[in-house]
Amino acid sequence: KAGVTQTPRYLIKTRGQQVTLSCSPISGHRSVSWYQQTPGQGLQFLFEYFSETQRNKGNFPGRFSGRQFSNSRSEMNVSTLELGDSALYLCASRNGGEDTQYFGPGTRLTVL
Amino acid sequence: KQEVTQIPAALSVPEGENLVLNCSFTDSAIYNLQWFRQDPGKGLTSLLLIQSSQREQTSGRLNASLDKSSGRSTLYIAASQPGDSATYLCAVRPRNTDKLIFGTGTRLQVFP
Repeated sequence: KAGVTQTPRYLIKTRGQQVTLSCSPISGHRSVSWYQQTPGQGLQFLFEYFSETQRNKGNFPGRFSGRQFSNSRSEMNVSTLELGDSALYLCASRNGGEDTQYFGPGTRLTVL
Repeated sequence: KQEVTQIPAALSVPEGENLVLNCSFTDSAIYNLQWFRQDPGKGLTSLLLIQSSQREQTSGRLNASLDKSSGRSTLYIAASQPGDSATYLCAVRPRNTDKLIFGTGTRLQVFP
């Protein structure tokens, strides 16, 4: 069974641009969560989706948004990029029948 | 507000040593606690998950314990190997959410 996949793996953008990151969960997993990892703040929770509904949102500005599609794939969007948005963005998926969360390899976003 | 702390922040040991990594959390109302491993620039690999009702879990050379009442978990690594070199993260999951709250990690280096 394929693991969690994230595309693209690397992105370079400039300030003011917007970006869309994609996450495909493990087949059958309906829960998807997103995290931002930076050297200064560590891993911080962004959003949690289940069956196309956002169930929880972290303490991030409105520039960060997300959605989940009917096939459980999820996207997150960051508008008006700032230098501080440079980070590794990780998504995780979970099967409703178990508690372990499985993480993808991440998307490394660099904002210049 | 739940806070998760890991001690030590970094550890360098010779091959063959037995290790204990510590994780503490401030709110005992957790659903479970998960230990992860992260290699540089990569995603997270789940190592062990302990439910709030459990005291410990074992997988190979790894043993994780949980003392919910005192807000502590330990990850014990037996007979360490250079391949164990990575950052180890603990994360607590509150009830009724998939959100994980991560500690700051312990960076482990095992030298031959």
